[in-house]
Amino acid sequence: AQSVTQLGSHVSVSEGALVLLRCNYSSSVPPYLFWYVQYPNQGLQLLLKYTTGATLVKGINGFEAEFKKSETSFHLTKPSAHMSDAAEYFCAVSDLGGDDKIIFGKGTRLHILP
Amino acid sequence: GAVVSQHPSRVICKSGTSVKIECRSLDFQATTMFWYRQFPKKSLMLMATSNEGSKATYEQGVEKDKFLINHASLTLSTLTVTSAHPEDSSFYICSAPLVTDNEQFFGPGTRLTVL
Repeated sequence: AQSVTQLGSHVSVSEGALVLLRCNYSSSVPPYLFWYVQYPNQGLQLLLKYTTGATLVKGINGFEAEFKKSETSFHLTKPSAHMSDAAEYFCAVSDLGGDDKIIFGKGTRLHILP
Repeated sequence: GAVVSQHPSRVICKSGTSVKIECRSLDFQATTMFWYRQFPKKSLMLMATSNEGSKATYEQGVEKDKFLINHASLTLSTLTVTSAHPEDSSFYICSAPLVTDNEQFFGPGTRLTVL
């Protein structure tokens, strides 16, 4: 069965600094991997996804993530944090594809310091 | 992108009553929809897979008689919380996959508060 571990329930970075949110996954088959963002009392918005092909995936709002099979990781990065990036971020995995059920990590709250 | 709506966005009810939450795919058809539950400051927990024209598939530990799911059409799935109790208070989110995009689209969520 697939699972996702997000290291750090809270991460704080200064505005303009590098954002790094860590995600490790477990899957018995080549996984589909996702990062979602959730603003307070709202639904989820897809930041980016990895299905096949290029392991470095670029998403919206300047975020990107790299699929590293040897490390079973899919860390999310952004070169320069903006105040508007403050939100909850979820890493997720699916064994069967983006249109099948998705298992979420516990989430990481990103705080941006002025 | 595709749009998924939920109604109501917020509901407050008395203990013992039943509450129905609707999930609609507005500009695409979805033979499958998913229902998630999110506790405060917690992750999303998959509750069940809603299948158009057939019974829903529930995740382990989810009471099917408590959380009734009906997927009556290709654009509508409903979740009914029966005989709601305060512990059922939560944020319920649905999603619908768009097969052509290999992606799921999430509704904005429904905040249920049971008094």
